[in-house]
Amino acid sequence: DQQVKQNSPSLSVQEGRISILNCDYTNSMFDYFLWYKKYPAEGPTFLISISSIKDKNEDGRFTVFLNKSAKHLSLHIVPSQPGDSAVYFCAASDLDRDDKIIFGKGTRLHILP
Amino acid sequence: DSGVTQTPKHLITATGQRVTLRCSPRSGDLSVYWYQQSLDQGLQFLIQYYNGEERAKGNILERFSAQQFPDLHSELNLSSLELGDSALYFCASSVGADISYEQYFGPGTRLTVT
Repeated sequence: DQQVKQNSPSLSVQEGRISILNCDYTNSMFDYFLWYKKYPAEGPTFLISISSIKDKNEDGRFTVFLNKSAKHLSLHIVPSQPGDSAVYFCAASDLDRDDKIIFGKGTRLHILP
Repeated sequence: DSGVTQTPKHLITATGQRVTLRCSPRSGDLSVYWYQQSLDQGLQFLIQYYNGEERAKGNILERFSAQQFPDLHSELNLSSLELGDSALYFCASSVGADISYEQYFGPGTRLTVT
């Protein structure tokens, strides 16, 4: 049973436009959410996180939005740059229960020139 | 460069064999996590060690085991290998015990079981 779902395996966005990556989760106990970025032949790198007490967290060009009622989060990248082309993993955890991070399968983002 | 090193980068072995993957965490990090990424799958958490002690366990098979040594490096042992064990294995480290501390990932070890 997949608790963190990224339903779009890939996404193509024009350079300079906004990239929106979506993620849905099923476990209402998740209270901490993370996004990781992964380039080929490298390990994932942490991008941004959000706690369930917030509905938005911003870091430069990256903003994560959390909609708890819909069990949905999204990562917005604006403006998109060529270096943003990578696989993005959404992840979630129930901090009160344990320290396991549950990852989605990832979305491959292509930034088009 | 995350500061986390993993060896070897690639490993090809036959079914039924046993392999050991090695991870050296960033200097000062006490936690080591192991993850498996199979084809078209997200990362699956396997196990976490903190300062030499097992702290959390995920979907780690009984054929797999891990340990963290006094110098804080960690090894993941995979035995009785099956074709389905072919995957990327990532190690990550963090300074603290819980996941609110940022995890830094190594480049991974690609295991191919033939």
